[in-house]
Amino acid sequence: SSELTQDPAVSVALGQTVRITCQGDSLRSSYASWYQQKPGQAPVLVICGKNNRPSGIPDRFSGSTSGDTASLTITGAQAEDEAEYYCNSRDSSGNHYVFATGTKVTVL
Amino acid sequence: EVQLVESGGGLVQPGGSLRLSCAASGFTFSNNAMTWVRQVPGKGLEWVSGISGSDDSTYYADSVKGRFTISRDNSKNTLYLQMTSLRAEDTAVYYCALDGYYFDTSGSRIDRFAYWGQGTLVTVSS
Repeated sequence: SSELTQDPAVSVALGQTVRITCQGDSLRSSYASWYQQKPGQAPVLVICGKNNRPSGIPDRFSGSTSGDTASLTITGAQAEDEAEYYCNSRDSSGNHYVFATGTKVTVL
Repeated sequence: EVQLVESGGGLVQPGGSLRLSCAASGFTFSNNAMTWVRQVPGKGLEWVSGISGSDDSTYYADSVKGRFTISRDNSKNTLYLQMTSLRAEDTAVYYCALDGYYFDTSGSRIDRFAYWGQGTLVTVSS
């Protein structure tokens, strides 16, 4: 299967930690990448590979993977982290990509 | 600074055609794979098509295969998406993105859509 599954929504209290998971068979052979998207804006890469943050992404964002599940953790969530988060990976063919349906993160 | 600027979106009738462009700057365009991703307003992201930076190999999602054609003009630093036989379900914001994959020290491929344009809206309606 080339599908990736995420929980539709999670909430986190300001300053607390939230973990978003992404599950799919393709994650056994390909790393996930994670994207943050705020309303009206283009997605922004926040994590790729084992746990690589692009320049400018705060270190409260981290990634991990185990088996068929990738995780994005926000440690000490801030109000500006409220957004939709999507995971993505290559599918089993190796030449196509698939996005999960996204997780809406609400910071309370 | 990497910049990706899409253009060419608009209103088109079902069955019609449209060509999207993505003007790239701030990086060596010819060396990099590129991709198109779309998003129905209010919905999630969908990978549409990709083109390699080396041999111009092309790849398509099943939903657009046979109707859309991705291409690039390295002399103009521009990526294209030719869309034909458009359907209502193709209505979306179309983003181009730099497919900046690389291989880490262990040889594992690290995939990343490192930079995105601001998107262009395509509306298919009569």
